[in-house]
Amino acid sequence: EAQVTQNPRYLITVTGKKLTVTCSQNMNHEYMSWYRQDPGLGLRQIYYSMNVEVTDKGDVPEGYKVSRKEKRNFPLILESPSPNQTSLYFCASSLIGNNEQFFGPGTRLTVL
Amino acid sequence: EDQVTQSPEALRLQEGESSSLNCSYTVSGLRGLFWYRQDPGKGPEFLFTLYSAGEEKEKERLKATLTKKESFLHITAPKPEDSATYLCAVQGTGGTSYGKLTFGQGTILTVHP
Repeated sequence: EAQVTQNPRYLITVTGKKLTVTCSQNMNHEYMSWYRQDPGLGLRQIYYSMNVEVTDKGDVPEGYKVSRKEKRNFPLILESPSPNQTSLYFCASSLIGNNEQFFGPGTRLTVL
Repeated sequence: EDQVTQSPEALRLQEGESSSLNCSYTVSGLRGLFWYRQDPGKGPEFLFTLYSAGEEKEKERLKATLTKKESFLHITAPKPEDSATYLCAVQGTGGTSYGKLTFGQGTILTVHP
């Protein structure tokens, strides 16, 4: 089954404790992206990647890191999480030139 | 900077009562405008891509249209299963990379039986 998976689905952590949210797709998509969704603010793009070793900032990259060492994986790294990063995070992927993005199920992160 | 504004924020309809959702956008050049549907607790699901003014796309009870300043998502004779949040997004050309997307805040649609 074609899908985007994210892990973990739920995470409660404390300020300053480094964490990684994984994202994996099995559709051989070149493009992958991370978003956060907050009430009243909608979906905002954090980082995206056009292919392996190619990443670029979205609208809200501060406090986040990403890497794209393999085509199927695009982890989101919070090196020193803060409470304002409490949010619902989505990973998405698509073929280049095809704007139909497939979204993962989301990761709900709470930073205390 | 690309901007997307959706209205209304919430819309309640009776089953069978047709209506439209609006997406107003500002971009220096439009690569594409996208509509997604999001059910509670799930990731957005792709509906349509529109590329140029005058273009229309249809899928079941949904029809998306595009002008140079806005897009409409028309819902004809909606059913309760059409209840969801509908998201609009744009991809611009002016000084932005191909991969950058800007979403609106969404319209929460509730269809009562």
